[in-house]
Parts: sequence; C-alpha cells; structure tokens
Amino acid sequence: DAKTTQPTSMDCAEGRAANLPCNHSTISGNEYVYWYRQIHSQGPQYIIHGLKNNETNEMASLIITEDRKSSTLILPHATLRDTAVYYCIANYGQNFVFGPGTRLSVLP
Amino acid sequence: DAGVIQSPRHEVTEMGQEVTLRCKPISGHNSLFWYRQTMMRGLELLIYFNNNVPIDDSGMPEDRFSAKMPNASFSTLKIQPSEPRDSAVYFCASSLETPGSYEQYFGPGTRLTVT
Repeated sequence: DAKTTQPTSMDCAEGRAANLPCNHSTISGNEYVYWYRQIHSQGPQYIIHGLKNNETNEMASLIITEDRKSSTLILPHATLRDTAVYYCIANYGQNFVFGPGTRLSVLP
Repeated sequence: DAGVIQSPRHEVTEMGQEVTLRCKPISGHNSLFWYRQTMMRGLELLIYFNNNVPIDDSGMPEDRFSAKMPNASFSTLKIQPSEPRDSAVYFCASSLETPGSYEQYFGPGTRLTVT
C-alpha cells in the first residue's frame, strides 16, 4: 500500500498556481518524497524530489513541512498542458509504490 | 538522449499465445524497472534489476511472467501463456541509482490486449 494520501481530484485556473497536497505522516527519517505526473496515455514523468529542505526546479517547487509529515507540490503558473494525474511517493530506494494520485484539471 | 525505448507500442494477441515486450533503458543507467498499469490496480511494480541482476521480483503476478536483462542495454518481459486479465499498459523505466537519488525515467509503454 502507498504510504501517502492525496486528494482524488483538484481544479486550477490557467495561469494560477496549482498547490497539490500530500500527506505522509508515517514517513521514515531516510525516506524521500518524490513527485511524478502522468499525462493521459503517457508514461509517468519525474517532477521533483526532496528529503527535508524545500526544493525548486524548472518544473515545480516542493515544500516539505518541518515535521516531514506532509508536503505540497507547487506549479507556479499552471497551463492546460499541466492537466494530469500527480503522484506523491514517500520512499527510500527504488521500490516505488504508486497510489491513485491526484487528478489535476487546469481550466481555461 | 532518446529516453527509454519500448517495443512494440501496441500488441494484440489471443489467449494462450506468448507475448514478449522489449525495453532499451537510457544509456548509462544501472537500474531497470517493469511496471503494469490497469484501471483496477493502478501502477504496480513487477520487477526491478540493478546492474542486470534481478533485485526484487515480488510483484511478478505468477509463473507465467518472466523477465530478463541479458545486458545493460536490453530487457524483456515475457508472458507465456497470455490470458485476457493480462491486458494492461506495461511500462519500462530506468534510473541511475546513486545514494539519495532514485528518480526513474519511464518509457511510453506497451499497450497489451489479450483476447
């Protein structure tokens, strides 16, 4: 079973920031938080990962709470092409367990 | 970089036939993964290899499924005999496993239909 819980679906207006929450209250000290997304019919795409500190790359920002029990993925300016299922994974090592994810719909 | 390459992209076969799915990982990556995705069960890890050696095959459904990685640039997932419940999208992924960094890069998938 996945160690994370995410809302089933979310909507976001085009051009606005999309904030996707993830709960991982049982995360261990050495487990990383990974985010992937899957656009319809394509393979999952790596977005970002982090351990304790907040992280930012060209795609998104990852905010991890100080107690590491939850995190938020931020897409700063959502576009229609960001419509996808977003997966949050808490894991150490390679055995990823994907939950059902959050279906993000970016609306024009 | 070409990314992870999978073939075929679509496969339709009859129950009882042997099916072979192929994967070429990203050059230089040392880990390879096979996943299966269905509406009912979502995305499941079937098996993963590190340096061509199977590390964890606990997700392989049953003896009808087998996977090999004869060298660093090629892997196969075979189903023999195939059954209708094997219909799914099969993804291959690869990664460069380094401490603290396990991001996996996925191929486009093979959509398998068993009739």
